[in-house]
Amino acid sequence: ETGVTQTPRHLVMGMTNKKSLKCEQHLGHNAMYWYKQSAKKPLELMFVYNFKEQTENNSVPSRFSPECPNSSHLFLHLHTLQPEDSALYLCASSQEWGAYYEQYFGPGTRLTVT
Amino acid sequence: GQQLNQSPQSMFIQEGEDVSMNCTSSSIFNTWLWYKQDPGEGPVLLIALYKAGELTSNGRLTAQFGITRKDSFLNISASIPSDVGIYFCAGLRQGSGNTGKLIFGQGTTLQVKP
Repeated sequence: ETGVTQTPRHLVMGMTNKKSLKCEQHLGHNAMYWYKQSAKKPLELMFVYNFKEQTENNSVPSRFSPECPNSSHLFLHLHTLQPEDSALYLCASSQEWGAYYEQYFGPGTRLTVT
Repeated sequence: GQQLNQSPQSMFIQEGEDVSMNCTSSSIFNTWLWYKQDPGEGPVLLIALYKAGELTSNGRLTAQFGITRKDSFLNISASIPSDVGIYFCAGLRQGSGNTGKLIFGQGTTLQVKP
């Protein structure tokens, strides 16, 4: 059990839809992350929230909008996506955002944009 | 962006054999992590290493943090069919303002023949 849950596990959406991905961590951590994993590419960091403050936006298009209402929950709001946005979206958490705090990943949401 | 050089890229071995994989970088890291990812799932943390020279075991898995802080290896002893998956090394290094940047290797795909 990783302690990080994500819903939904699979999502198919059209380019004009609006949907949200949800992540919850049960580890008492203070940092949460969104990553994108595409086929044959390394994991791409999208956003970091440290103590509920967004501290990193890795040049992510505005059609992806994160929200962190508290230290246990993280959302990724999606709107007007493109087919190239289809990927596995992974949430992770760590005690804090730092070089000595290992990150624990959720199972991911497999997103397909049609 | 920066990547870790992970090798081998893939391995096909007989059940019961030992496995070894490694990661190297031109940069030093504060923490080395090893993850296993099954298809359609998120990476699961196997071992975390925090000090140069540290040798840590987790069941049949053994990993070491290289003395130069630029490399790490993972050994799996007496492989079994459920060891099948993709193994990723990841390094955490200091970013700006006490942040931690997680860099992933390209992954080693392990297949085990019963």
